[in-house]
Amino acid sequence: DAGVIQSPRHEVTEMGQEVTLRCKPISGHNSLFWYRQTMMRGLELLIYFNNNVPIDDSGMPEDRFSAKMPNASFSTLKIQPSEPRDSAVYFCASSTLAAKSSYNEQFFGPGTRLTVL
Amino acid sequence: RKEVEQDPGPFNVPEGATVAFNCTYSNSASQSFFWYRQDCRKEPKLLMSVYSSGNEDGRFTAQLNRASQYISLLIRDSKLSDSATYLCVVNDYKLSFGAGTTVTVRA
Repeated sequence: DAGVIQSPRHEVTEMGQEVTLRCKPISGHNSLFWYRQTMMRGLELLIYFNNNVPIDDSGMPEDRFSAKMPNASFSTLKIQPSEPRDSAVYFCASSTLAAKSSYNEQFFGPGTRLTVL
Repeated sequence: RKEVEQDPGPFNVPEGATVAFNCTYSNSASQSFFWYRQDCRKEPKLLMSVYSSGNEDGRFTAQLNRASQYISLLIRDSKLSDSATYLCVVNDYKLSFGAGTTVTVRA
C-alpha cells in the first residue's frame, strides 16, 4: 500500500505567487483532510471532505486558500496569492467514516514543506 | 478555551523511566479519543486508541477520565526510540489535535 501521497515534498516560492499542493488519498478511504502545522499554532485542520464533498472549511484562514476534490483519488489545496505567513508544513490525511459521524484512524501523508519568501 | 489542551513539556527522562502526561478536552459529549505520535519532521502516526475502560499496548497505557474530561498516556520502561511528540486527539465530527507533549528519553 502506497499510503497517502503528497506532492511536492518541498516548495519554495516568492510572495504573491500561486501555490498548488496535491494529495492522493489511500484507495478506499472516503474522507480527506488538509492540515497546516507550524511551531506557533500546532496542527490546524483547514478543510475536510467526505465522499469528495467539502464538509467543513471553517479552518481555511482566508479567501486566498481554496481546496478541491474532483474525484475520490485526488485533491488540491491552492494558495493564491501566497504570503510569507503561509510558510508551514501542509499535511493531507485520509480516513474512513465510522459510526456516529466520527472517524477511524487518519493516515497522514509525508507533508509538503512550504516556504514563501 | 481550546478544544484540546496538553502540557507541551518537554519531559526529559532517563531510559527505563516511566513518564506520564495528560490531555484535557472541552466537549463533555466527546466519545472517541486517540494518541498520535509525531517524530521530528515527520507526519503524525496513530499510537493507540483510547477506550473507556482504559487500554494497554505493550509499554503504553491510555486512560480516560470522563468526569474530569482528560485522557492520559503512560509510557513504562521508556526507550530512546520513544523520544517524540505525542498528540492527543478528540474524535468528534472531526479530529481535534492538541499541540503535543514532547518527550525526550536520554541514555
